[in-house]
Amino acid sequence: GAVVSQHPSWVICKSGTSVKIECRSLDFQATTMFWYRQFPKQSLMLMATSNEGSKATYEQGVEKDKFLINHASLTLSTLTVTSAHPEDSSFYICSARDGAGDGYEQYFGPGTRLTVT
Amino acid sequence: AQSVTQLDSHVSVSEGTPVLLRCNYSSSYSPSLFWYVQHPNKGLQLLLKYTSAATLVKGINGFEAEFKKSETSFHLTKPSAHMSDAAEYFCVVISYYDYKLSFGAGTTVTVRA
Repeated sequence: GAVVSQHPSWVICKSGTSVKIECRSLDFQATTMFWYRQFPKQSLMLMATSNEGSKATYEQGVEKDKFLINHASLTLSTLTVTSAHPEDSSFYICSARDGAGDGYEQYFGPGTRLTVT
Repeated sequence: AQSVTQLDSHVSVSEGTPVLLRCNYSSSYSPSLFWYVQHPNKGLQLLLKYTSAATLVKGINGFEAEFKKSETSFHLTKPSAHMSDAAEYFCVVISYYDYKLSFGAGTTVTVRA
């Protein structure tokens, strides 16, 4: 089946630094990737939609200058948390839509646990 | 706009007994619906999906769900719970327009020995 990887699986950084998270579709081309964040004991919240070769579309309330998304190829999207603060600590999950399939199924990465100290 | 509502935030069952997780949807057209499972600190795994074919959908690990238009429901069931079923379950609807997923609040399942 389709596999999506994320790297790193967990990261600890100091307040004020930037962190980059990678999302890769390993065996299919992902025309669209989505980034979510999940706080403990809560559901997933969509942050942004990333289409290959174009600017990401951010959900209301998500700071685009803080959460930089780049989708440079059909298999890679990156999320950079800039000037991270402790309130950015969360579980970040990406998903990828297989453009060759029926389009309705998304494949999720294993998530990245970000802790900002 | 589409949305889903999971009616139970927490379900506790004994091992070997049936599991029922309830989900109602709201949509102006026939939706595509999914159930995902998430184990602690893990990503999401697709259990099953409904995309306007058979209303009774069978998924992995013995789970199944029935789409009932008259009740706007898509409840998830399993006849016999296993300890490994302890996890968080999400009912999800997808937008045909932009493929965005809308998640329910989630149901935490605990399984008692």
